[in-house]
Amino acid sequence: GEDVEQSLFLSVREGDSSVINCTYTDSSSTYLYWYKQEPGAGLQLLTYIFSNMDMKQDQRLTVLLNKKDKHLSLRIADTQTGDSAIYFCAENYNFNKFYFGSGTKLNVKP
Amino acid sequence: SAVISQKPSRDICQRGTSLTIQCQVDSQVTMMFWYRQQPGQSLTLIATANQGSEATYESGFVIDKFPISRPNLTFSTLTVSNMSPEDSSIYLCSAWERQGNTIYFGEGSWLTVV
Repeated sequence: GEDVEQSLFLSVREGDSSVINCTYTDSSSTYLYWYKQEPGAGLQLLTYIFSNMDMKQDQRLTVLLNKKDKHLSLRIADTQTGDSAIYFCAENYNFNKFYFGSGTKLNVKP
Repeated sequence: SAVISQKPSRDICQRGTSLTIQCQVDSQVTMMFWYRQQPGQSLTLIATANQGSEATYESGFVIDKFPISRPNLTFSTLTVSNMSPEDSSIYLCSAWERQGNTIYFGEGSWLTVV
């Protein structure tokens, strides 16, 4: 459960959709999470998905889970400049162990 | 969801000194953790703060360098001892709630060691 991988950067134009991808390694992970970190701030929980689901939608956010490929994605619709931040995926291993990806820095251009 | 407050939020520290970071949660939580986030890096778990007993440290972290207290279910402290510039990091307190199986974070304490 320690190798959670993300691409480091993503740049999109305001109004476009953003898709941030993550791969994880532990098939026994029961929950997978997306956190947002704005400059100078801590981590804010955005959303999470149970491993027995393949999709979860919450307003502008859509999480897709492909358990077979151990692939998680976060889609942000109608991306705004306020969405510029670092996005971390995390997997929950052994109920109280969380492993975080390296973070994807999303840059939204006006 | 739990609301977590940390202080100090930022500090500039002299090499060789120690600093204690306080973490207060607005509700009783099952578990509390301390993470470190070095500049441009992801989060690394330092230790699990256990109520009324010694913390459980991850590989690479030791009690002498990072003493931790957790006197009750809502409060914990992390001390960074004998600081060096390599300790310049964000230190994040977090709390895990069994209900919802979710981990929440404080705003972090940004330490710069000069």
